Amino acid sequence: GQQVMQIPQYQHVQEGEDFTTYCNSSTTLSNIQWYKQRPGGHPVFLIQLVKSGEVKKQKRLTFQFGEAKKNSSLHITATQTTDVGTYFCAGPGNTGKLIFGQGTTLQVKP
Amino acid sequence: KAGVTQTPRYLIKTRGQQVTLSCSPISGHRSVSWYQQTPGQGLQFLFEYFSETQRNKGNFPGRFSGRQFSNSRSEMNVSTLELGDSALYLCASRRDLGAQHFGDGTRLSIL
Repeated sequence: GQQVMQIPQYQHVQEGEDFTTYCNSSTTLSNIQWYKQRPGGHPVFLIQLVKSGEVKKQKRLTFQFGEAKKNSSLHITATQTTDVGTYFCAGPGNTGKLIFGQGTTLQVKP
Repeated sequence: KAGVTQTPRYLIKTRGQQVTLSCSPISGHRSVSWYQQTPGQGLQFLFEYFSETQRNKGNFPGRFSGRQFSNSRSEMNVSTLELGDSALYLCASRRDLGAQHFGDGTRLSIL
C-alpha cells in the first residue's frame, strides 16, 4: 500500500547546528503537510506545500517539496532548544486519508 | 474558536474491559480522524468519519470501532481491552481535506 517514509528516526544536535529531516512517498502526492509534536503534546500543523519544487520558509525553518512531488524536506537552521520535538510529514492517500510518516525526533543539546 | 476537545484525558482500565473515548471537533469541521500513538510507533491511523459515515479505515482489529453523530462529535470504542492497547489516542478534525487539528489526546493505560 501507499507509504510515507521519514529519515532519520532520531537526530541529536548541538544547539546552533543545522538539522534536516527527509520524507519520501511511494506515490506522487497532491500536497505534503508537516507537523510538530512537542514532548508530552499533540501534533501541531506547521505548513502545507502544494506545488512541484515549492519552497516555503518560516523563520529558521525551510520546507521543500520535490519536483516529482514524491519527496519533501524540512531544514532547521541554527537549532534552538525550543525546536525539540518530533516532526512528522503527511500526505493524502488516494482515498483522501492522511498518511503520516514515522516522524523524526529531534534532541538539541544546549 | 475552541480547539478539538477529547475526553477523558486519562483512563485506566483492566484487560477484558471496554472503553469509549469522545471527541468534539472544531466547529465547522465535518471530518474526524482517530490515531493511536505508542512510543516509537508514530501515528497509527484508526479511522476517519465524515458526515456520520466512515470514510477511511486503518488496519486495526474489529475490537476498535467508532461513530460520528450529526453534530460531528465522534466516539471511539475499544472492546475486550488488551495490554497492547495502552497508548495515547488522538483525535483530529479538519475541514474537508485540509490540515488536521489534533486534540490533546486520551492516555489509556491497561492493567
